[in-house]
Amino acid sequence: QVQLVQSGAEVKKPGASVRVSCKASGYVLNTHYMHWVRQAPGQGLEWMGVVDPSSYSTSFAQMFQGRVTMTRDTATSTVTMELISLRSEDTAVYYCASVRAVGVGGHYDFDNWGQGTLVTVSS
Amino acid sequence: QTVVTQEPSLTVSPGGTVTLTCASSTGAVTSDNSPNWLQQNPGQAPRTLIYSTSNKHSWTPARFSGSLLEDKAALTLSGVQPEDEAEYYCLLYSGGAWVFGGGTKLTVL
Repeated sequence: QVQLVQSGAEVKKPGASVRVSCKASGYVLNTHYMHWVRQAPGQGLEWMGVVDPSSYSTSFAQMFQGRVTMTRDTATSTVTMELISLRSEDTAVYYCASVRAVGVGGHYDFDNWGQGTLVTVSS
Repeated sequence: QTVVTQEPSLTVSPGGTVTLTCASSTGAVTSDNSPNWLQQNPGQAPRTLIYSTSNKHSWTPARFSGSLLEDKAALTLSGVQPEDEAEYYCLLYSGGAWVFGGGTKLTVL
């Protein structure tokens, strides 16, 4: 069973940046796409972006373009999401999720989720 | 930007059957959108119950099933249990991005 263990809660001031890490057990980083999703207090889930397991390339939701980076370190089995220029609206729980391709033709399974990391942006 | 729409809330009696739906602003939902259905309890991380339209995980209770219903993705719960009260999200791949629906709050009453 794959486990995703995320780093601890963060408190940041507006304008600062935050890095959230997600350590994966097993060889999931070599076989799974690693996604990031966030959830503001009392709100729904919001997809942020993904790191490709083979090419290391990334793809982000339009609203995060230019503000987010996602990297992976296979040596430590860790993916990291960095969000810059934080504002109060970025206060949320951030989740990593591992996603495997299923069969052929673009079918995917969000099969494992991290426990979430609360990021609070406040002056 | 695709908008994915779910019923904001539904209520079902224990033992009953309920269907949650997931519509896309770009047109009919198909298997190419790789619909995933997630369950989230308060204060917990989401967990995926259904992937790729209708496939279940080992942890998915048999009473949950996924399908395509007319132009939407659907999640049907048959023989609802009190522990099924939760928030349910659909997730679609559309236009090169993944998009969540707004969630359905399912109340078992």
